Amino acid sequence: EVQLVESGGGLVQPGGSLRLSCAASGLTFSSKWMHWVRQAPGKGLVWVSRINSDGSTTNYTDSVKGRFTISRDNAKNMLYLQMNSLRAEDTAVYYCARDQGVGPKVGAFDIWGQGTMVTVSS
Amino acid sequence: DIMMTQSPDSLAVSLGERATINCKSSQSVLYSSNNKNYLAWYQQKPRQPPKLLIYWASTRESGVPDRFSGSGSGTDFTLTISSLQPEDVAIYYCQQYYSAPRTFGQGTKVEIK
Repeated sequence: EVQLVESGGGLVQPGGSLRLSCAASGLTFSSKWMHWVRQAPGKGLVWVSRINSDGSTTNYTDSVKGRFTISRDNAKNMLYLQMNSLRAEDTAVYYCARDQGVGPKVGAFDIWGQGTMVTVSS
Repeated sequence: DIMMTQSPDSLAVSLGERATINCKSSQSVLYSSNNKNYLAWYQQKPRQPPKLLIYWASTRESGVPDRFSGSGSGTDFTLTISSLQPEDVAIYYCQQYYSAPRTFGQGTKVEIK
């Protein structure tokens, strides 16, 4: 079965840290860009970060630069998002998503995980 | 950043009738070297992740019913549901993948009248 499965969400205090994981199975992973997208409760979709196929290139939305780090382990078909210095406004469902582009070419997000909820609150 | 603006924010359509959603980008998402519009449409049903419907502005993803179609070029795009079905109740998002950050529209909620 083709799937992405996120884990690692939960309740954390402001200033705390979490590490999200995304396990890929049944799909091409190692040659694809991967992304994290978040959705605050009742709100729209916001792109957070992306990483290229070999992990050498990463990009972040301005609001998480310097606090979040995206990484991947192609041998394990895993994507990660290390989130530090968490703020209340980081509260959201976090989705991992696969880029349908091939090699350096970009594309739409063709496969999404079910999401993991991150709640930042004291 | 490229800003994506959808209209309307919500619409109610009778079963079997046409639903039309518009999406406007703050700058062109047409890449001249390959003549492709870097624009996608997603459907999100309650408590589910988004699902890719349309990419390259008008290419339907595999398995997507042909009542869904995308059109437009440059900065103005449209998603059309030709004959609304009960299972089409959802929020629809456009997204540009022309440049980082990959911005989404604010979403359009489609309901049954």
